[in-house]
Amino acid sequence: GAGVSQSPRYKVAKRGQDVALRCDPISGHVSLFWYQQALGQGPEFLTYFQNEAQLDKSGLPSDRFFAERPEGSVSTLKIQRTQQEDSAVYLCASSLPSRIAPNQPQHFGDGTRLSIL
Amino acid sequence: KNQVEQSPQSLIILEGKNCTLQCNYTVSPFSNLRWYKQDTGRGPVSLTIMTFSENTKSNGRYTATLDADTKQSSLHITASQLSDSASYICVVSAYSYGKLTFGQGTILTVHP
Repeated sequence: GAGVSQSPRYKVAKRGQDVALRCDPISGHVSLFWYQQALGQGPEFLTYFQNEAQLDKSGLPSDRFFAERPEGSVSTLKIQRTQQEDSAVYLCASSLPSRIAPNQPQHFGDGTRLSIL
Repeated sequence: KNQVEQSPQSLIILEGKNCTLQCNYTVSPFSNLRWYKQDTGRGPVSLTIMTFSENTKSNGRYTATLDADTKQSSLHITASQLSDSASYICVVSAYSYGKLTFGQGTILTVHP
């Protein structure tokens, strides 16, 4: 597709369940980012991939959060034993590597709205 | 902690009027400053990107300014349209690979 695609768009889970959120980046974009956006707030960085390598995971809030990008394209953000505070919109963004196109924009998907009951 | 602060939190203007949104940041080191527009229920869309050496950049009716000495930026919207109603987010990149620090956004509402 032409843009970043995220699925599902909405996810409702009971507290304690595991969830998996998917991101399909723009073809050819080797850089991929995950962000968490709480209601009424700006997004906050979770993790960064360059191809299949996870180079920065400093924003993951706990060890219940795990992200992978095994073939350097599609990425999955997994949250284990979900808690109510995990309720948020999870955004994925992709871009060309900065060494090719410095200071170029990240292209965002429309996010997955996660609600934990 | 690196921070990006925006003002005002919300703004209501009439269609056709101009407005200016403000951003102050303490992120260091600094790579670039970006303004994004986020419609309700959608992902952010890039409006402008400015590096340390740039002090103004335009994208249609949007003009961003940057003062790297005072660590301030503004986004000026000219001749507002109803479709400009959205959240405008100031974003600072401290790393060359693109790790972004977001402000909380200014919610702009344009009334007919």
